[in-house]
Amino acid sequence: KQEVTQIPAALSVPEGENLVLNCSFTDSAIYNLQWFRQDPGKGLTSLLLIQSSQREQTSGRLNASLDKSSGRSTLYIAASQPGDSATYLCAADFSGGYNKLIFGAGTRLAVHP
Amino acid sequence: GAGVSQSPSNKVTEKGKDVELRCDPISGHTALYWYRQSLGQGLEFLIYFQGNSAPDKSGLPSDRFSAERTGGSVSTLTIQRTQQEDSAVYLCASSEVGSAGTDTQYFGPGTRLTVL
Repeated sequence: KQEVTQIPAALSVPEGENLVLNCSFTDSAIYNLQWFRQDPGKGLTSLLLIQSSQREQTSGRLNASLDKSSGRSTLYIAASQPGDSATYLCAADFSGGYNKLIFGAGTRLAVHP
Repeated sequence: GAGVSQSPSNKVTEKGKDVELRCDPISGHTALYWYRQSLGQGLEFLIYFQGNSAPDKSGLPSDRFSAERTGGSVSTLTIQRTQQEDSAVYLCASSEVGSAGTDTQYFGPGTRLTVL
């Protein structure tokens, strides 16, 4: 069964700290992996998309890596800010490019001043 | 430009009633997806439309669930004879070219369904 797991389920850090969110998946035949952010009561916002042929993607203070062989992806957030507080979801496309995403349960991040 | 919109934002219904949830994708996006987010669980894929092709219904949990997409644009998710376990947030997403595998999905704000 294709599954995506995220650890930890929740994380609380002081402002300014660098942090890593973890995502693991059970099928190495992954087409791409995406990281999303979800704010309370709102939909998802795409942060980064990594194709299976890529190792990492960067956007501003965010860096996402993908290791197919170990079934892992990490989202690195540099110099965290209170505005980064949200739930972060990773999602894998195992459907050969049809973008049928399988989501992890998310990591709820709180960055306190 | 306008993003994905969904209506209603909240829906409370009684067990056994039928409900319709609407999604307006981003103009020009050929792929449309429905997901369900139940309390304490991750997002669950329900159904996928790509252009004029037959939809992929592999994620629908029962035959009480159906969806259609008219004119390649607006989509309606219908739940018949609602049950309490149908209570969830229903999210719609669209992307420019679903089969490329390279296109970001843009999500709507969701419809929160509560079945009493």
